[in-house]
Amino acid sequence: DAGVIQSPRHEVTEMGQEVTLRCKPISGHDYLFWYRQTMMRGLELLIYFNNNVPIDDSGMPEDRFSAKMPNASFSTLKIQPSEPRDSAVYFCASSPDREGYTFGSGTRLTVV
Amino acid sequence: DAKTTQPTSMDCAEGRAANLPCNHSTISGNEYVYWYRQIHSQGPQYIIHGLKNNETNEMASLIITEDRKSSTLILPHATLRDTAVYYCIVRPPYSGGGADGLTFGKGTHLIIQP
Repeated sequence: DAGVIQSPRHEVTEMGQEVTLRCKPISGHDYLFWYRQTMMRGLELLIYFNNNVPIDDSGMPEDRFSAKMPNASFSTLKIQPSEPRDSAVYFCASSPDREGYTFGSGTRLTVV
Repeated sequence: DAKTTQPTSMDCAEGRAANLPCNHSTISGNEYVYWYRQIHSQGPQYIIHGLKNNETNEMASLIITEDRKSSTLILPHATLRDTAVYYCIVRPPYSGGGADGLTFGKGTHLIIQP
């Protein structure tokens, strides 16, 4: 199993541009989570899905952030427009019921 | 509100057992204790979890006190590759509702010394 696959690994963009982060979960995992990690705030849960349905998006910072899961094998996190304070490492994780999460390698986003 | 309390950092000599404590005095009866670690520049990695009984797997052992108010993660023979931030997390079982996400605190930075 290739694990949770995130792309791109690194993204540098200019303020105001749209950014799309991608995630392919492990096949058969019903849950998918998006996290953001910064030095100041640590790991923060942004949103999670169960069977492709968003369950809790209370961690999404503001309306500039949106996430979709059109099918069981793909999810996107979009930021539009991006701002320098969005610079962080974004992690995707998937999980079957009652088991531990498997995290991807993350996308390091830099907004200049 | 912090549900767990962990030391900020710990040192351990290579080859020795690393014992990482975690206090969770407000844990509820149905909440599990999970341990994850994050090696520098990588995503967090699941280690082990338990409810009330001690657990062991190929990575570590988890010892939960009888009153469940604290636990200890044991890495039996620490290597340099075990240097990481270790997170202790308590959470209820999956409900399919709005509380299934893990909340990470600041964790313990474990440094394995050669």
